[in-house]
Amino acid sequence: DAMVIQNPRYQVTQFGKPVTLSCSQTLNHNVMYWYQQKSSQAPKLLFHYYDKDFNNEADTPDNFQSRRPNTSFCFLDIRSPGLGDAAMYLCATSREASGEWEQYFGPGTRLTVT
Amino acid sequence: GQNIDQPTEMTATEGAIVQINCTYQTSGFNGLFWYQQHAGEAPTFLSYNVLDGLEEKGRFSSFLSRSKGYSYLLLKELQMKDSASYLCAVSKGGGNKLTFGTGTQLKVEL
Repeated sequence: DAMVIQNPRYQVTQFGKPVTLSCSQTLNHNVMYWYQQKSSQAPKLLFHYYDKDFNNEADTPDNFQSRRPNTSFCFLDIRSPGLGDAAMYLCATSREASGEWEQYFGPGTRLTVT
Repeated sequence: GQNIDQPTEMTATEGAIVQINCTYQTSGFNGLFWYQQHAGEAPTFLSYNVLDGLEEKGRFSSFLSRSKGYSYLLLKELQMKDSASYLCAVSKGGGNKLTFGTGTQLKVEL
C-alpha cells in the first residue's frame, strides 16, 4: 500500500548530539512537511518542501534543518538537540493539485533527549 | 497571525451525537480540515471543507461558514473508539500549510 513511512519510530539521543529523522513516501506527492508535536499540544509546522523548494517557518529555530534529496525522501536534522526538543515529529505529504487537499501523515518519530 | 479556538475537552455518551466547534481568524484561507488523533499516534484525516456548507462522510459531518470563521465536526452514533483528540486545522497559502488548533479531547462514556 502507498504510504508515508518514518524511521525510526522511537529515537533516543543525548543532549547536544546531532540526530537525523527520516521520512519516505510512496505516494509520489510533491509536497512534504515536518511538524513538531509536544505533549498535549497541537502539531506545529516546522518547514515544508514544495518540490525542491524549501520553505522555512519564521519561528522555526536554526537548530532544525531539512534535506530532500529526491521526491520520495525527506530528512529532519537536529544539529544540537536540547531537552526542549523532545517531542513527536510528524512527516506529512500532499499533492498540490486542483481538488486535492488532504495531507497524509506518517506514524511519527518520538524523540527523547537525555 | 492565526487564532484557532476549540474546546479543550468534551464528554458524550455512547450512541449519542456530539458537535465540536472551531472558530478561526486567518488571511489567505484555503480550507478547513478535521483530523482525529489517538494518544501516541499520528493524526488521521476525517474531512475538509473548502466552500460553505455541510460535508457528510458516514458517521462524520463537517460544516463551514467562511464569513463567520466557524466550523463544526458532528459525530453521530458515538462509539467508544471515538474517544480521541479532534484537531481543527486551517490551510492557507501555497503549499497547503496547516495550522492546527490545540485539539478537543473527546471522551465517550457508556
